[in-house]
Amino acid sequence: EPEVTQTPSHQVTQMGQEVILRCVPISNHLYFYWYRQILGQKVEFLVSFYNNEISEKSEIFDDQFSVERPDGSNFTLKIRSTKLEDSAMYFCASSEVYSNQPQHFGDGTRLSIL
Amino acid sequence: GQQVMQIPQYQHVQEGEDFTTYCNSSTTLSNIQWYKQRPGGHPVFLIQLVKSGEVKKQKRLTFQFGEAKKNSSLHITATQTTDVGTYFCAGRDGGSQGNLIFGKGTKLSVKP
Repeated sequence: EPEVTQTPSHQVTQMGQEVILRCVPISNHLYFYWYRQILGQKVEFLVSFYNNEISEKSEIFDDQFSVERPDGSNFTLKIRSTKLEDSAMYFCASSEVYSNQPQHFGDGTRLSIL
Repeated sequence: GQQVMQIPQYQHVQEGEDFTTYCNSSTTLSNIQWYKQRPGGHPVFLIQLVKSGEVKKQKRLTFQFGEAKKNSSLHITATQTTDVGTYFCAGRDGGSQGNLIFGKGTKLSVKP
C-alpha cells in the first residue's frame, strides 16, 4: 500500500537554527498537510497545500514557518529560526480530495530543539 | 473558532470490557473522521461519518454520528490488548472546506 514518507525520523537542532523537514506524499494525492504533536498532546493542524499554494493555515503557522513543493514529489516544511517550543513530532499527511477523503499520515519527524 | 472536545482523556479497562469515547463539536460538522494512534506511531485513519445519525461498524468497533452532526462516539466491544492506543476524532466545520480539527484524544490502556 502506498505510504507517506518523512525524513529525517529525528532531527536535533540548536535554538535559532533553521530546519527543513521533508515529506514525500502519496503520488496521486493532491492535498498535502503538516501537523504538529507536542509530546502527549493532541494533533494540531499547521497548514494545508494544494495546487502549489497554501490552502489554509492555523495560528501556529506564523512567519517562522514556510512550506514548499520544490519538485514533483517532495513537500517540505521550513522553520526559519527554531525556538524551544518548536520541539514536537511533525507529521506530514496527504489526501486525494480535500474535503471528504481520509488523510494518510507519515511516520513523523521528531524535532528536538536544544 | 471551532473546537472539538473529546472525553474521557484516559480510559483503563480490563481485557474483555467495553470502551467508549465521545466527541463533541462547538459547531455543526460536515463530516467526522476517527483515527487511532498506537504508542510511538502516527495517526491511522479508521473511518469517516458523513450523514446525520449515521452508524458504521468495523468488527468490534461501532461509530456513530449524532443527528445534529455535532457529536460522535466510538464504542469498542470486548476490548483486546491490540486495541491499546489513543483514539482521536477529527471534525471539519460544516460551513467550509476547512482543515481538520482534532480532539485531544482518548488514551486507551487494556490490562490483560
